[in-house]
Amino acid sequence: AQSVTQPDIHITVSEGASLELRCNYSYGATPYLFWYVQSPGQGLQLLLKYFSGDTLVQGIKGFEAEFKRSQSSFNLRKPSVHWSDAAEYFCAVHSSASKIIFGSGTRLSIRP
Amino acid sequence: EPEVTQTPSHQVTQMGQEVILRCVPISNHLYFYWYRQILGQKVEFLVSFYNNEISEKSEIFDDQFSVERPDGSNFTLKIRSTKLEDSAMYFCASLQSGSLNEQFFGPGTRLTVL
Repeated sequence: AQSVTQPDIHITVSEGASLELRCNYSYGATPYLFWYVQSPGQGLQLLLKYFSGDTLVQGIKGFEAEFKRSQSSFNLRKPSVHWSDAAEYFCAVHSSASKIIFGSGTRLSIRP
Repeated sequence: EPEVTQTPSHQVTQMGQEVILRCVPISNHLYFYWYRQILGQKVEFLVSFYNNEISEKSEIFDDQFSVERPDGSNFTLKIRSTKLEDSAMYFCASLQSGSLNEQFFGPGTRLTVL
């Protein structure tokens, strides 16, 4: 069965520091992968997506993610975080039945 | 830019009451979805809808739930007799066609069952 694992429940980084949020997936075929961000009480905003091609994808707000098939990973990175990046981040995979399966999320806090 | 809209933004209801959550998908989209997110938890798939019928549903989507596209623009989720555990944020999403496209999510409806 398809699944997404985000091993870090909560991460705190200092403003200006680099960030990496981990995501591992379980999927039989070539996955379609996404990262979404959710601010408290808000909806889901798509940061970036991977369908095929270049394994390093660029997204909005300075985020990028790298698809590594050998590690079944799709980690999200940002070289320098801003206080406004504090939010919940969800990794997700688009399953063969067209539904999206979400990970449990990583809450990002920013230390001033 | 076209977007998915949902109404109401917040619904408060008494246990046992029926609620209808409304969504207007993007106009040329063909696939429609409902997801829910219980407070503090991950987003869970409920149901997908295509060509006026359910194409897939999760185990959460029991007989208390139903979906409908009554007029070609709205896409509704009905909960017949709400339970306390139905309290959650409900997200509607739509997709244009094929699996290589992105699902666009609405802003959500927060349902509170008292």
